[in-house]
Amino acid sequence: AQSVSQHNHHVILSEAASLELGCNYSYGGTVNLFWYVQYPGQHLQLLLKYFSGDPLVKGIKGFEAEFIKSKFSFNLRKPSVQWSDTAEYFCAVNAQNSGNTPLVFGKGTRLSVIA
Amino acid sequence: GAVVSQHPSWVICKSGTSVKIECRSLDFQATTMFWYRQFPKQSLMLMATSNEGSKATYEQGVEKDKFLINHASLTLSTLTVTSAHPEDSSFYICSARDPNQGDTEAFFGQGTRLTVV
Repeated sequence: AQSVSQHNHHVILSEAASLELGCNYSYGGTVNLFWYVQYPGQHLQLLLKYFSGDPLVKGIKGFEAEFIKSKFSFNLRKPSVQWSDTAEYFCAVNAQNSGNTPLVFGKGTRLSVIA
Repeated sequence: GAVVSQHPSWVICKSGTSVKIECRSLDFQATTMFWYRQFPKQSLMLMATSNEGSKATYEQGVEKDKFLINHASLTLSTLTVTSAHPEDSSFYICSARDPNQGDTEAFFGQGTRLTVV
């Protein structure tokens, strides 16, 4: 079974600061990796995903993530955060080629961006 | 992207009553939908997998008689919380994949916040 660990529970940054949110997963096989964002009062939205190929994935709103297989990591980055990035961020994983299986989520990281 | 819609967005009910939450795929057909539960400041925990035309598959520790799932059509799955109690208060979220888009992202409903008083 897969598991996901997000080490940062709450991150507080000033506008224009750089962001990196950690995500590590546990699974012996090949995985699909995702980052979702949940803005206050809204549903989960996909930021980016990795299935194969270039391990550096670019998503929406200037976010990117790098898959490092040897470290079982898929950290999310953004060079300069904005106040509007204040939200909850979830890393998720599921096994590749396993059919229509559910995602396994990390506990989430709350990002607060202050002016 | 594909759209998954949940209804209602929030509901308050009295202890002992039952509440039905609907999850619809608006522009695609979903043979499988997933129901999650999210406690405050915690992650989404998978409750069950809803299968069109057959019984749902429940995760360990989830009472199937309390959380009734019906997936009667390819676009609708319902979760009924029976005899609700305050400890059932939570945020319930459904998700589904669009099979036309292959093994890709899951799309999520906006969630239903249930408060049992």
